[in-house]
Amino acid sequence: KNQVEQSPQSLIILEGKNCTLQCNYTVSPFSNLRWYKQDTGRGPVSLTIMTFSENTKSNGRYTATLDADTKQSSLHITASQLSDSASYICVVTDTILTGGGNKLTFGTGTQLKVEL
Amino acid sequence: DAGITQSPRYKITETGRQVTLMCHQTWSHSYMFWYRQDLGHGLRLIYYSAAADITDKGEVPDGYVVSRSKTENFPLTLESATRSQTSVYFCASSESGRKIETQYFGPGTRLLVL
Repeated sequence: KNQVEQSPQSLIILEGKNCTLQCNYTVSPFSNLRWYKQDTGRGPVSLTIMTFSENTKSNGRYTATLDADTKQSSLHITASQLSDSASYICVVTDTILTGGGNKLTFGTGTQLKVEL
Repeated sequence: DAGITQSPRYKITETGRQVTLMCHQTWSHSYMFWYRQDLGHGLRLIYYSAAADITDKGEVPDGYVVSRSKTENFPLTLESATRSQTSVYFCASSESGRKIETQYFGPGTRLLVL
């Protein structure tokens, strides 16, 4: 069964500090990997999308890395802000759905809290 | 730019009742999706649609019905609600079915079935 495992489950850091979130996946075949940010009470918002040929991709203070050989990804957040408090979800695309469109396998997320 | 909206945002209903969750997008995206999000689980796909009048089952379709008569609307109906359908429901859309395509999510509907 295709799975996406994230760690840690939750994390508390001080404002201004950096942090790294981990994602391991067993999804096969692999097409691309996405990181989403989900604020409390809101829908997920895409941060990055990486294909298997990309090693790193940045979006402002967010940098995602991908090692397709070891099936691992990380999301690094630099100089954290209070507004970074959210759940960060790792999502892997494996196949195309029967009727078209991407079949996404979602991790359960890492809950990040940034404190003063 | 309204994007993708869902209504109602919160709903309380009783077991056995029919409930319809609405989803509307203003981008004219071809693809639309319904997911549910439960504690301890990643989002799971219920149904999806590649275009008007084309729908297909996802991972957890039992107990749900969808329709798509217009490109911009994709309602999800719980024909006879059960407590196990208590969840947060997200609608999403994407412009096409290309592998690298971003899915854009609505704000969600929190459903409680008593």
